[in-house]
Amino acid sequence: EVQLVESGGGLVQPGGSLRLSCLGSGFTFSNYAMHWVRQAPGKGLEWVSSISGRTGSTYYAGSVKGRFTLSRDNSKDTLFLQMDSLRADDTAVYYCAKASRSEPMVQADYWGQGILVTVSS
Amino acid sequence: SYVVTQPPSVSATPGKTASISCEGNNIENKAVHWYQQKPGQAPVLVIFYDSDRPSGIPDRFSGSNSGNTATLTISRVEVGDEADYYCQVWDSYTDHWVFGGGTSLTVL
Repeated sequence: EVQLVESGGGLVQPGGSLRLSCLGSGFTFSNYAMHWVRQAPGKGLEWVSSISGRTGSTYYAGSVKGRFTLSRDNSKDTLFLQMDSLRADDTAVYYCAKASRSEPMVQADYWGQGILVTVSS
Repeated sequence: SYVVTQPPSVSATPGKTASISCEGNNIENKAVHWYQQKPGQAPVLVIFYDSDRPSGIPDRFSGSNSGNTATLTISRVEVGDEADYYCQVWDSYTDHWVFGGGTSLTVL
């Protein structure tokens, strides 16, 4: 059974940093692209970032480029999102999602339960 | 950047058919995926590549894509289908995922 478990969320002050992790199980982690998608309170889904499975190429939404860094450790089946220079509008539930192939442009077939990040003083 | 537009809300009567649109410039040239999200839950893939259904999704869910509009159709709507539905495409010019704004389906 495919499982994605996010961790690392919480309350952080504006300008601060946080690192989210997503542990995958039930599939060969290195073979699949992975994504982070966020959802601000009462709002819709917003794509944040993606990383391909084989090459490790990364892609970022304009709203986070230069502030967030996506990486993966295939030996630990874990995806990371380093979030720096956090702003109030980064407050959201962050979902980790698995792509159905190694390339990120395809659909996400499994999602984690999400983790809340709150940026506030 | 590529933009996809969904109606904010759609309502349907139990047993009838609900249709949710996703509009974008020449969207027929893109693969459209649909996700269902119930309150407090993570999104679930219900349709991929315009019209394919993942295992476990009822065949009441179907999709189509033509011209500038992709459509998610839910036949024989049930109260349990009440949820937010999002379409998603890949913008190959910017290498970005793009989500529609979401459509809230109400079953009255």
